[in-house]
Amino acid sequence: AQSVTQLGSHVSVSEGALVLLRCNYSSSVPPYLFWYVQYPNQGLQLLLKYTTGATLVKGINGFEAEFKKSETSFHLTKPSAHMSDAAEYFCAVILSGNTPLVFGKGTRLSVIA
Amino acid sequence: DTGVSQDPRHKITKRGQNVTFRCDPISEHNRLYWYRQTLGQGPEFLTYFQNEAQLEKSRLLSDRFSAERPKGSFSTLEIQRTEQGDSAMYLCASSNRGSPSGEKLFFGSGTQLSVL
Repeated sequence: AQSVTQLGSHVSVSEGALVLLRCNYSSSVPPYLFWYVQYPNQGLQLLLKYTTGATLVKGINGFEAEFKKSETSFHLTKPSAHMSDAAEYFCAVILSGNTPLVFGKGTRLSVIA
Repeated sequence: DTGVSQDPRHKITKRGQNVTFRCDPISEHNRLYWYRQTLGQGPEFLTYFQNEAQLEKSRLLSDRFSAERPKGSFSTLEIQRTEQGDSAMYLCASSNRGSPSGEKLFFGSGTQLSVL
């Protein structure tokens, strides 16, 4: 069973426009949630993570995500897209205890000048 | 901090051959993970170690796959009798926590395997 679902395998936005990448998880208990970014020919980098506490999490490069338990969502946003944001973005989850990090299938973000 | 290193970056092999990949984690990290990523998919968990102990193996890890971390430092992933379906990017990651909850994984750039 898929633990995390990313809606949209490809998202295209104009430079300066809002970025919204969607992620939903399936878990009966609040999981730990992550967003990773993968630039071409580079390793995965952590953008941000939610464990406990404040539900709005700020990450690197101006990205943020909000944990919404009622919607089982952890969508990633950025107010204004930059050309350098073009990359593959992965939502990931740790469901409980010692379970490993499970990734979604990824969303490729394209930024149009 | 030199990051997580993987070697080789690329490997091309013929079906039926054995291959071995190496991962050097960040030096103070006690956990080391192997993932596999195919085109258009997210990384899939294969196995992980805490120090030298292999704590979990995915069902994806068939008998042809074996991983070791003999001294709790670097790790090797061997695939025996490779098949075309083994073609993928093999990713290594490390972390420094006693529990995976909320931990941050540092990833290497991966080893791209092509089985002809």
